[in-house]
This record gives sequence, structure tokens and C-alpha cells, in this order.
Amino acid sequence: QVQLVQSGAEVKKPGASVKVSCKASGYTFTSYDINWVRQATGQGLEWMGWMNPNSGNTGYAQKFQGRVTMTRNTSISTAYMELSSLRSEDTAVYYCARRRGSSGSYWYFDLWGRGTLVTVSS
Amino acid sequence: QSVLTQPPSASGTPGQRVTISCSGSSSNIGSNYVYWYQQLPGTAPKLLIYRNDQRPSGVPDRFSGSKSGTSASLAISGLRSEDEADYYCAAWDDSLSGQEVFGGGTKLTVL
Repeated sequence: QVQLVQSGAEVKKPGASVKVSCKASGYTFTSYDINWVRQATGQGLEWMGWMNPNSGNTGYAQKFQGRVTMTRNTSISTAYMELSSLRSEDTAVYYCARRRGSSGSYWYFDLWGRGTLVTVSS
Repeated sequence: QSVLTQPPSASGTPGQRVTISCSGSSSNIGSNYVYWYQQLPGTAPKLLIYRNDQRPSGVPDRFSGSKSGTSASLAISGLRSEDEADYYCAAWDDSLSGQEVFGGGTKLTVL
């Protein structure tokens, strides 16, 4: 079954870091970029960045540069997103998504994980 | 505040036709394809329309997309109760070294 399975909910204190995992199955992990999108409660979708599982190359939204790191472990078909210096505004559901298409205009997300709730609270 | 602008809400009765607009600029919708995602309550988003007006397999032909200039629209005909969801438009934006941008979402209520 083609799917992305994410790690469980996390509760973190302000200033801490969180690392969310996303395990791919049912397709060749290294063939498609993995992107991360977050959604605060009752709010819209916000793109955070992408990672190429084959090369390890990454691209981050300007808003998150310096605070986010996307990595992978190809031996277990798993992508990771680590967000540091957490603040209350980072409380959100974090989704990983598989990206299809050849380049910018053609990119779209055809497979999503179920999401991981990250709560930042003192 | 989202880069793409959508109305926060829309509504219709079963069988009606509803349209949801999405407004952007020359750096996103004006020069790139538009995509639409449907998010049912408590679930992850699902691809609904790609490359302005293409439907993935499994998406009913009641859903259609269009684009003109720096705006796009999603139309849903023959509205059904199961269409009640949040709908998001998205596009690649060529500014700021390139990034994916989303609309703020439109909550569709089937009356």
C-alpha cells in the first residue's frame, strides 16, 4: 500500500526542538521529493520546504531558514523534519507530502501523511 | 496572511453549482499552474485538481478548475453533502528563490 506514515504527537517547551519522521512505503522512496506543510489549528496550509531523498538536497521557505532541517535515512525509507527554537506559534499539525512533477510550476502533492500534532507549551 | 486570496466561506444546497475563487499575482498564478486540494474534516489534504484543470483518477467530473490571468476558480456542480470540506488553491511562486504558496482556504458548507 502506497502511504506515508508519520510519528506520533509531541509536546515541547518553548526553545526546544522537535523531530518528526515520515516513513514511506509502497513506492521507491528515492524517486520523489518529500515536502513538509504545516497547519495551525483552524488555519490554512503553510509550506515549509522540500528534500530530495536521493541526493539529500533541500530547499526551505524563507520563513523557516535557519530553524528547520530536513534529512532522510534511505535504508529505512524515512524522511525527517526538525524544527528548532520552538515558540507557541509553532503549535500545529505537521504533514509530510510526496511531490510529483518535473519543476516548480509542475510540482504538486499527490500523497500525504496523516499529520503529526506538535504542541509548544510551557 | 496567505499569498493567494480565497473567500473564507462558500455555501450551496444539494444539486447546486458552487464556485470558489483564488486570486494571486504575476509571480505565482500569473506564471505557473494552479492546484486545488480538498481537506475533509479531521483528515489530510487530498489533491483535487492539478495543472489548472486536470482531475486525478478517482476525482468525479463534478469538480472542474480554470485559470485566467492571475486568478483561478474551482467549480463544483451537482453539490453533494460529502463535498462539505475546506478547499485550498496552491501554486509555485517564483519570488523569494521559489516557494510553494497556498490560499487561506475556503470552507464549503452544504446547506
